[in-house]
Amino acid sequence: DGGITQSPKYLFRKEGQNVTLSCEQNLNHDAMYWYRQDPGQGLRLIYYSQIVNDFQKGDIAEGYSVSREKKESFPLTVTSAQKNPTAFYLCASRAPGTGGPLNNQPQHFGDGTRLSIL
Amino acid sequence: GNSVTQMEGPVTLSEEAFLTINCTYTATGYPSLFWYVQYPGEGLQLLLKATKADDKGSNKGFEATYRKETTSFHLEKGSVQVSDSAVYFCALATNTGNQFYFGTGTSLTVIP
Repeated sequence: DGGITQSPKYLFRKEGQNVTLSCEQNLNHDAMYWYRQDPGQGLRLIYYSQIVNDFQKGDIAEGYSVSREKKESFPLTVTSAQKNPTAFYLCASRAPGTGGPLNNQPQHFGDGTRLSIL
Repeated sequence: GNSVTQMEGPVTLSEEAFLTINCTYTATGYPSLFWYVQYPGEGLQLLLKATKADDKGSNKGFEATYRKETTSFHLEKGSVQVSDSAVYFCALATNTGNQFYFGTGTSLTVIP
């Protein structure tokens, strides 16, 4: 089945360490997104990419980095500069609009990665 | 700017009660509107959508109508079940760019 796969499901980071969260999709979607979700709160956009080799900062990009070398993959690196990285991270993708306005397509989400600090 | 405002939770209902979760939005242009559901420890799943004014989205007994005059997209269900316990997010996508704007989520607990 087509979908979005995030790995690992749980991840632990030591102080001063960079960690990379994986996001792979086989939906043939152009756009991909990374969100951060803190307990009891909504989603905050970290980065998004509309095409390969291009990405834009979201609302909370500081301390994070991404790459988009392949259409299927959009890994997120949480760097040591991110001082409060403990959160639930969600990856999403979106198909382009079909024969009409761009905006009629929903985002599709993976099952998330929970990152904790040791 | 663009934003979504949801009613604050948590909401607790008895099984078979009627559910309404309010959602209002601010947007430039003509957005599409969505409701997502999130079960504990999982990602968001699309519940329903509406792409133009007066459209009604429906799925699994849930409904929401795109009301442009009141800039609202309230989620309703006539008879909730214990399995509906989850967090519900209202979202909009504008007709320019590729970003989504999410509400803060409303937690629903249904008790037997």
